[in-house]
Amino acid sequence: KNQVEQSPQSLIILEGKNCTLQCNYTVSPFSNLRWYKQDTGRGPVSLTIMTFSENTKSNGRYTATLDADTKQSSLHITASQLSDSASYICVVSPYNQGGKLIFGQGTELSVKP
Amino acid sequence: GAVVSQHPSWVICKSGTSVKIECRSLDFQATTMFWYRQFPKQSLMLMATSNEGSKATYEQGVEKDKFLINHASLTLSTLTVTSAHPEDSSFYICSALDPGVDTQYFGPGTRLTVL
Repeated sequence: KNQVEQSPQSLIILEGKNCTLQCNYTVSPFSNLRWYKQDTGRGPVSLTIMTFSENTKSNGRYTATLDADTKQSSLHITASQLSDSASYICVVSPYNQGGKLIFGQGTELSVKP
Repeated sequence: GAVVSQHPSWVICKSGTSVKIECRSLDFQATTMFWYRQFPKQSLMLMATSNEGSKATYEQGVEKDKFLINHASLTLSTLTVTSAHPEDSSFYICSALDPGVDTQYFGPGTRLTVL
């Protein structure tokens, strides 16, 4: 069964600190893996997208990594800001499934001053 | 980046009424749009896949007669919640697939509250 599992479920960090969110998946084969940021009451916004052949992708203070052998991905946030408080969702797109996505449950990040 | 809009952003209605939510891709043509539902503290749950010019494909457990989907053009899909009840209160999010980059872009969501 295609699954995407994220850890931790929630995380509290102080402003300015770094953090790393984890994503394990069983989806195979897959077209790409994405990390989304979802603010409360808003739709998800794409942060990074990686194909199975890519190992890392950066977008400002966000850096995603992908290990296709171990089926793991991580999202590293550097120098966190209060506005980083949100849910971060790992999403895998199975190959040849008409665009359907497999969502992780998300990590709820809270950045405190 | 590509923009997907939803209207309305929030709606409050009485039980038994119908509510229509629009999803538009503003700067690309989307042959496929998706409708999701999200409960508090939970991830997005796919309700149906909408293909332009054809009937929508509903996920198991989603009533097609209750959640009517129309995808009449390459930039517009609508979701109509018929005879809404309080248990239909939720956050509804659409996405549009840009085939050129094989990426789904999400709308900002619609908060539905049924009294």
